[in-house]
Amino acid sequence: ETGVTQSPTHLIKTRGQQVTLRCSSQSGHNTVSWYQQALGQGPQFIFQYYREEENGRGNFPPRFSGLQFPNYSSELNVNALELDDSALYLCASSSGTSGRDEQFFGPGTRLTVL
Amino acid sequence: SQQGEEDPQALSIQEGENATMNCSYKTSINNLQWYRQNSGRGLVHLILIRSNEREKHSGRLRVTLDTSKKSSSLLITASRAADTASYFCATRGGTSYGKLTFGQGTILTVHP
Repeated sequence: ETGVTQSPTHLIKTRGQQVTLRCSSQSGHNTVSWYQQALGQGPQFIFQYYREEENGRGNFPPRFSGLQFPNYSSELNVNALELDDSALYLCASSSGTSGRDEQFFGPGTRLTVL
Repeated sequence: SQQGEEDPQALSIQEGENATMNCSYKTSINNLQWYRQNSGRGLVHLILIRSNEREKHSGRLRVTLDTSKKSSSLLITASRAADTASYFCATRGGTSYGKLTFGQGTILTVHP
């Protein structure tokens, strides 16, 4: 069984640029959620994708967008980067959207915005 | 915004001692989960307790849930240096999707 993987591990961008982060879900999982974790804080929910559709969103502006592909892998896109976007971005996969199942997290992508 | 508070914010103990972390939340929940995070990397799922359960065990872990007080506790018995990490509780509320709301975490340091 393959776990959740994310790429890249680290990324440095400058303010105003755009970034794409990638996540491959665990085998057999059809739901991917994205979280942002600022330094010293707990993760905050960005959005969730189920069967290629966004089916839940946290308090993040529209410049945070995503995609899910037929193989259930996912991308997080952030446009017009701001300094406060510097954080660890985590994706989590699960089977179904009910929340009765555990969410399995990837190792994260550390984004630094200069 | 965070769902609730974790207490204490930091805990320092010796190997072999027990570690207790507490979590409070604000709204009704479907389940509550505990995660461990080492050095700012990915989260490792430890245990899930549903709203109709009061206590759950997994190895050296014991979790309790009191929905009337909107609180949970995580007990790690006979701690080891390898248990040094940040511990987060996360609640899953009544939405139709599986959004988890995390606390700010407890930093546990276990000294050999």
